[in-house]
Parts: sequence; structure tokens; C-alpha cells
Amino acid sequence: EPEVTQTPSHQVTQMGQEVILRCVPISNHLYFYWYRQILGQKVEFLVSFYNNEISEKSEIFDDQFSVERPDGSNFTLKIRSTKLEDSAMYFCASSDTLTAGGFYNEQFFGPGTRLTVL
Amino acid sequence: AQSVSQHNHHVILSEAASLELGCNYSYGGTVNLFWYVQYPGQHLQLLLKYFSGDPLVKGIKGFEAEFIKSKFSFNLRKPSVQWSDTAEYFCAVIPGSGNTGKLIFGQGTTLQVKP
Repeated sequence: EPEVTQTPSHQVTQMGQEVILRCVPISNHLYFYWYRQILGQKVEFLVSFYNNEISEKSEIFDDQFSVERPDGSNFTLKIRSTKLEDSAMYFCASSDTLTAGGFYNEQFFGPGTRLTVL
Repeated sequence: AQSVSQHNHHVILSEAASLELGCNYSYGGTVNLFWYVQYPGQHLQLLLKYFSGDPLVKGIKGFEAEFIKSKFSFNLRKPSVQWSDTAEYFCAVIPGSGNTGKLIFGQGTTLQVKP
């Protein structure tokens, strides 16, 4: 069964360093997402991506964050200068086309990357 | 602001007990509703979803949920839980049509089933 994969599973970095989190969505999917979950808190939406551009981003997704689909298979999240409060589990998700009724289909999630900023 | 609220943070049940996990959302228009489950060490998986039609939806592993529009609720139920249902359960909403598919999650409920 196709699945979303993410690498690395755990990333430890120093404050101020750049990190790139990688995701390989399911191959025929068109909609891509990043979410994060700070320990003990809700899963929060960061950004959605469709047709090679950001379709929506949250307030969390400031200028320090960027996303890219560089080669048609990978989907990356870059944090330019990490802060302590960026420590969280980051989830990538993807979904395929809208339903006939125009509803958004199920999102398939990757296993997550645990980012620890020291 | 749009939000999703799950009433129970931590539920402990014995095997064969019935389960109901509450979920309420704050959005007045059309909603797409989901329950996701995360088993220990695994990724989030879809249990069931509601888009339209019959408000009682059935999902995998014997779970079902009922959409009550007047109460803005989408409670998850299972008549008889098993030890293997031990997991974290997340209610999530995509509000409205024409948005980007952003999921808004509740805070999650940890279910512990004692054998």
C-alpha cells in the first residue's frame, strides 16, 4: 500500500541553524500539507501546497519557513533559522483529487520528523 | 476562530466496554469531518470521515460516528473496545468548501484499554 515517508525521523539542531525536513508524498497525489505538534499540544496546520504554489499558510508559517517541491516527488519544509520554540513533531500529509461533490479527500500522513532545537 | 474541542483527554476502559469520544466544532457552514487514530509508534490513520448524506458513518475496526448538525458534534463510538484500540484519537474538521483542505484538529484523546 502506498504511504507517505519522511526523513529524518529525528533531527537535533542548534538554535539559529537551518533545517530541511523531507517528505515523499504518495505519487499520484496533488495536495500537500505540513502540520506540526508541539509536545502536549494540538496538531497545527502550517501550510498547504497545490500546483507548485502555497495555497494557504498559517500565522505560524512566517518568513523563516519555506516549502518546495523540487523534483516532482519530494516535498520539503525548510526552517531558515531555528528557534527553541520550533521544537516539535512535524507531519507531512498528502491527498488526491477532490471528490465528485467537491470535498477534500482523506489526507494520508507520514510518520513525522521530531525536531529538537537546542 | 474555527476550533475543534474533544471533551476527554484521557480515557481508561476495560476490554468489552463501550466507547464514546466527544467532539464539537465551531463553524456554522458546511464541514468535512474526520476521526484519525494514532497507534503507539505509528502514523496518523483515518478511522472514518463524513462529507454529506447519512449522518451515521461507519469506519474501520468497528468504529462509527454520528454527525449532529444542530449540536455541532461528531462523536466517535465503538460498542465493545479491544486492547488493540489503545491509541490516541483525533477529531478533525475541514471547514467549508472552496478552502485549501486545511485540517483543524482537536487536542486528541488518549484511550487506554485494559486487558
